[in-house]
Amino acid sequence: KAGVTQTPRYLIKTRGQQVTLSCSPISGHRSVSWYQQTPGQGLQFLFEYFSETQRNKGNFPGRFSGRQFSNSRSEMNVSTLELGDSALYLCASSLGGLAFFGQGTRLTVV
Amino acid sequence: AQKVTQAQTEISVVEKEDVTLDCVYETRDTTYYLFWYKQPPSGELVFLIRRNSFDEQNEISGRYSWNFQKSTSSFNFTITASQVVDSAVYFCAHSRVNRDDKIIFGKGTRLHILP
Repeated sequence: KAGVTQTPRYLIKTRGQQVTLSCSPISGHRSVSWYQQTPGQGLQFLFEYFSETQRNKGNFPGRFSGRQFSNSRSEMNVSTLELGDSALYLCASSLGGLAFFGQGTRLTVV
Repeated sequence: AQKVTQAQTEISVVEKEDVTLDCVYETRDTTYYLFWYKQPPSGELVFLIRRNSFDEQNEISGRYSWNFQKSTSSFNFTITASQVVDSAVYFCAHSRVNRDDKIIFGKGTRLHILP
């Protein structure tokens, strides 16, 4: 059974640009969550989608957005990138409260 | 609000020693989940265990064991006879049951196993 797949693995962007990250959950999992990991703030919850609906949202500015498609795949978008957005972005696929994570996308903003 | 505290930022032990990673949580929920995840240098969070709040039985899986005590709001993790491959960052985490799948993480404990 395939695990959680995140693409791309690495990304370098310039300040002011926007970026889209993708997450394919484990087959059968309808919940997808996104987390940002930085050395200073640790692992912080961004948002969670279930059956194409955002069910919860963390304390991040509106520049961070996401969506989920009918096949449960999810994307998150960050617009007007700032240097502080440099982080490891992790996606989790959940079923019955059990969450499994992908390898993450490491975003560097220069 | 929920909160998870891992007071140990970094621990170093010599291979084959036992090591315990501490985790203390705060929650107003009557039912909740507690987790431990391992993050090796590759970055992926590897699931180790999930406990439900109404199940206080300790669990052992090979060299790993977990001690869950609701009276002290603690969920500690012990590695017996540590190995170099155990070197990683370990996260304790909390989520609510039957609400959503939002997970609150502790800051993590970086474990160095020295050969």
